Amino acid sequence: GDSVTQMEGPVTLSEEAFLTINCTYTATGYPSLFWYVQYPGEGLQLLLKATKADDKGSNKGFEATYRKETTSFHLEKGSVQVSDSAVYFCAPNFGNEKLTFGTGTRLTIIP
Amino acid sequence: DTGVSQDPRHKITKRGQNVTFRCDPISEHNRLYWYRQTLGQGPEFLTYFQNEAQLEKSRLLSDRFSAERPKGSFSTLEIQRTEQGDSAMYLCASSFVGMGTEAFFGQGTRLTVV
Repeated sequence: GDSVTQMEGPVTLSEEAFLTINCTYTATGYPSLFWYVQYPGEGLQLLLKATKADDKGSNKGFEATYRKETTSFHLEKGSVQVSDSAVYFCAPNFGNEKLTFGTGTRLTIIP
Repeated sequence: DTGVSQDPRHKITKRGQNVTFRCDPISEHNRLYWYRQTLGQGPEFLTYFQNEAQLEKSRLLSDRFSAERPKGSFSTLEIQRTEQGDSAMYLCASSFVGMGTEAFFGQGTRLTVV
């Protein structure tokens, strides 16, 4: 069946480090792909999305590319800041009208 | 537009009591979702509505859970005879119809069953 696997955390990085959070999926069709972020004390917010193969979503310096050949949607940022500390969720929509969330990756950035 | 709002934000109840949560979606959205999130996990789908019709319920939604969206606007989620395992964050989201459409989430209702 359709499923999503997300890199486990927690992840701790120094400010200005490069970030990658891996996300892979298994699907019978072609899902839309989303990254959501949950800042401390706040609700889930959409960070970026991609709806078809080779699309690149980007927002706030974060990027992720829809890779059909590797069924992946890895989240990257070239230089993280303390304010990026949050929990990040990969969430495909497998065409069944709802999002399926990964387990989440807690990111902590140290000054 | 004030976004998706949920009430209450926190609820502490004794085991065996009934609780009801409310969600007010973004006004022009026709889809409304309920998810449950436990500590350290991603949100899990419970049910969703399109307008007033409840189109899908997860097997996670036991007979003690019921959700309504009577006029296609706000929704309520009721849990009867609460159990300690019901303790979680209950999230509501709304969107337009469509796979690529962003779902907007409320801040959730945190339920603690003691």
